[in-house]
Amino acid sequence: GAVVSQHPSRVICKSGTSVKIECRSLDFQATTMFWYRQFPKKSLMLMATSNEGSKATYEQGVEKDKFLINHASLTLSTLTVTSAHPEDSSFYICSATIGAGKGSTDTQYFGPGTRLTVL
Amino acid sequence: SQQGEEDPQALSIQEGENATMNCSYKTSINNLQWYRQNSGRGLVHLILIRSNEREKHSGRLRVTLDTSKKSSSLLITASRAADTASYFCATVPNSGYALNFGKGTSLLVTP
Repeated sequence: GAVVSQHPSRVICKSGTSVKIECRSLDFQATTMFWYRQFPKKSLMLMATSNEGSKATYEQGVEKDKFLINHASLTLSTLTVTSAHPEDSSFYICSATIGAGKGSTDTQYFGPGTRLTVL
Repeated sequence: SQQGEEDPQALSIQEGENATMNCSYKTSINNLQWYRQNSGRGLVHLILIRSNEREKHSGRLRVTLDTSKKSSSLLITASRAADTASYFCATVPNSGYALNFGKGTSLLVTP
């Protein structure tokens, strides 16, 4: 149980286009989902916390208008990279917690990640 | 902000040997978690240790936590080639639930 999927797994796009990445909790409801970004051989950087039915909470330094997050249902959150540029190329990973996910010991279940390459 | 710092950055051992990875952090935490990531994949939760715990075991994994030194270690005993992966520690602060990841240790286990 507690499987999180991401789609697509890999995307290549031209500079200036927008890319949507989906994160789904397959067998549980996730009121809270998290979006991370990971550079090669680097750690994960939390970008934003996505709450179902409300606006996402962005970390300092993350542009809200650049990285649009929508959490329309208890099993789906989407991250849209708008007007993507080569510097947006990265590995994007989402995670979800069962239930509200506001407990400090709630396990986060991670998706397999999406490799974005912007040409 | 990234808080955990793992060392070593890379570790290469042979099957059957033990692998020890360390993690240091800077501020007070509620708990510390270790994750594993295979190349180009998502993360898998391995173990969570709370701030009032000193040691925890799970199968071949042993985690210690020293809050006075703000450090933790992950020991993998009798390593296997399949243990080859990157290992990250992540801390959860006292006031919140967001994970703060370290830079990870890349472990290579050769047959």
